[in-house]
Amino acid sequence: DAGVIQSPRHEVTEMGQEVTLRCKPISGHDYLFWYRQTMMRGLELLIYFNNNVPIDDSGMPEDRFSAKMPNASFSTLKIQPSEPRDSAVYFCASSPLGLLYGYTFGSGTRLTVV
Amino acid sequence: KQEVTQIPAALSVPEGENLVLNCSFTDSAIYNLQWFRQDPGKGLTSLLLIQSSQREQTSGRLNASLDKSSGRSTLYIAASQPGDSATYLCAVRRGGKLIFGQGTELSVKP
Repeated sequence: DAGVIQSPRHEVTEMGQEVTLRCKPISGHDYLFWYRQTMMRGLELLIYFNNNVPIDDSGMPEDRFSAKMPNASFSTLKIQPSEPRDSAVYFCASSPLGLLYGYTFGSGTRLTVV
Repeated sequence: KQEVTQIPAALSVPEGENLVLNCSFTDSAIYNLQWFRQDPGKGLTSLLLIQSSQREQTSGRLNASLDKSSGRSTLYIAASQPGDSATYLCAVRRGGKLIFGQGTELSVKP
């Protein structure tokens, strides 16, 4: 199993540009999560999906952020327009259905907005 | 609102010492608790998962305990090694959400 795969690993963009982060969860996992990590706030849950349906997006900072999961093997997190304060590491994680299972995290995307 | 606190924020020990990392949470209605390791600039690696009905889990030199009623978990690392240097995060699962503490940054000196 290749694990949770995120791309790109690093992204540097100018303020105002659109940024799209991508995630491929582990095959067979029903849950997919997007987290953001910063020094000040630690790890924050942005949104999570169950069977491709968004369940809780209360952590999404504002309307500039959107996430989609068009199928069970792919999800995107989009920021438009990007701002310097969006600079962070964005992690994707997946988990099987059932509360007996833990989460598996991807390697993250380090986003820098200049 | 569930809050997760980890103490200490940073810890430096000489190689070979046994050590304990602490995690506390405010709401005992959790499904499970997971300990992760994060190396600088890297992702999160799962170390141990404890279900709410369990008291402890062991993997090699690591032992994690859970006392749900008091809202506490500990991660015990035996015979620490320089390769154990990393940030250790605990996270509690409530519903579909995994809520993280701020982590303990561990440095093991040769």
